[in-house]
Amino acid sequence: AQSVTQLDSQVPVFEEAPVELRCNYSSSVSVYLFWYVQYPNQGLQLLLKYLSGSTLVKGINGFEAEFNKSQTSFHLRKPSVHISDTAEYFCAVIPYNQGGKLIFGQGTELSVKP
Amino acid sequence: DVKVTQSSRYLVKRTGEKVFLECVQDMDHENMFWYRQDPGLGLRLIYFSYDVKMKEKGDIPEGYSVSREKKERFSLILESASTNQTSMYLCASSTWGGLAGSGELFFGEGSRLTVL
Repeated sequence: AQSVTQLDSQVPVFEEAPVELRCNYSSSVSVYLFWYVQYPNQGLQLLLKYLSGSTLVKGINGFEAEFNKSQTSFHLRKPSVHISDTAEYFCAVIPYNQGGKLIFGQGTELSVKP
Repeated sequence: DVKVTQSSRYLVKRTGEKVFLECVQDMDHENMFWYRQDPGLGLRLIYFSYDVKMKEKGDIPEGYSVSREKKERFSLILESASTNQTSMYLCASSTWGGLAGSGELFFGEGSRLTVL
């Protein structure tokens, strides 16, 4: 069975510091990979996605993620965070054989302090 | 702009009441989903639908049912609400297959249900 593990439930950082949110997945088939962000009291919106091609993908708000097939990881990074990046971040995968059903990680709460 | 609209942002219901949560999408997506979100548990899939009148159980379907009579509308029904169904409910839609069908989910704003 496929699964997604976000290794940190909470990540506190200071403004302008770099941040990495870690995501590992387990799947016996190839997958598409996604990162979503959820601001307080809102739905989720897509930050970035990896479908194929270059393993480094860039998303909105200065975020990027790197797909590492050998380590089955898809870590999210930002070189300098802002207070407005405070939100919950979800990693998700779609295995090719699941007909479009996403499997989500548990979420990482990013808290940016001044 | 793509849009998924959930009918109510906040609801308060009493134990035993029947609750309807409505979701409409304007993107002509085949797939629609209902998730519930609870602190520390992430998003859990309740039901999904690949087409009109089709539905499949997700990971936690107990206590819920769904209806999809039209392609754009997917309703979640709590036949007899209980306090353990107090949660945030999120609707989403997607398309799968072909060049545009990466399965990316488009979410509504969420419906926060409190059952007293």
